[in-house]
Amino acid sequence: GENVEQHPSTLSVQEGDSAVIKCTYSDSASNYFPWYKQELGKGPQLIIDIRSNVGEKKDQRIAVTLNKTAKHFSLHITETQPEDSAVYFCAASSKKLIQGAQKLVFGQGTRLTINP
Amino acid sequence: KAGVTQTPRYLIKTRGQQVTLSCSPISGHRSVSWYQQTPGQGLQFLFEYFSETQRNKGNFPGRFSGRQFSNSRSEMNVSTLELGDSALYLCASSLAVGDSKTEAFFGQGTRLTVV
Repeated sequence: GENVEQHPSTLSVQEGDSAVIKCTYSDSASNYFPWYKQELGKGPQLIIDIRSNVGEKKDQRIAVTLNKTAKHFSLHITETQPEDSAVYFCAASSKKLIQGAQKLVFGQGTRLTINP
Repeated sequence: KAGVTQTPRYLIKTRGQQVTLSCSPISGHRSVSWYQQTPGQGLQFLFEYFSETQRNKGNFPGRFSGRQFSNSRSEMNVSTLELGDSALYLCASSLAVGDSKTEAFFGQGTRLTVV
């Protein structure tokens, strides 16, 4: 079945610097790749997503890139701020599922710490 | 627009008991998925419901079950609780209309502790 690997497991950066989190997936049929941010005591919050027909997507300080050939995708956060500190999860969903079906396979998570 | 609502937020149960968790999706969303989150296993898919039918199931034992009502609200049940069932149970709702509407929005979860 689908497997998603996420690296690094922890990441510490200085405020204002950039942070990059990388994920690889195993199922070449995967076509939807969301990223979630989870703060302590809360559920995961969708921050950005990308579909397999697009190579890059940007939303203000957050960007995601997708390399279908290599089966990996990355989250880039620029000009990091203390409020970016959280656990980030990547996920993948396969188009082999019936239309509209929802089954996300998650990476193991990255604990991002922004140092003031 | 209200988000995904899960109740209760916290539960403490004894081994062998059963538990029912509830999830109300975002208004208009027809798909409800359930995930288990533990420090060791991360986020794992339990099952997904759409129009009162289970469309997908993860690799969990039959003690884990769920259902969806006509108003899209969903419940999941865990019978004969084990210590290892202690986890944060998350519900996600999705519009699930066609291939382009698969964004999933999560609730805050129910923290289940089995003692």
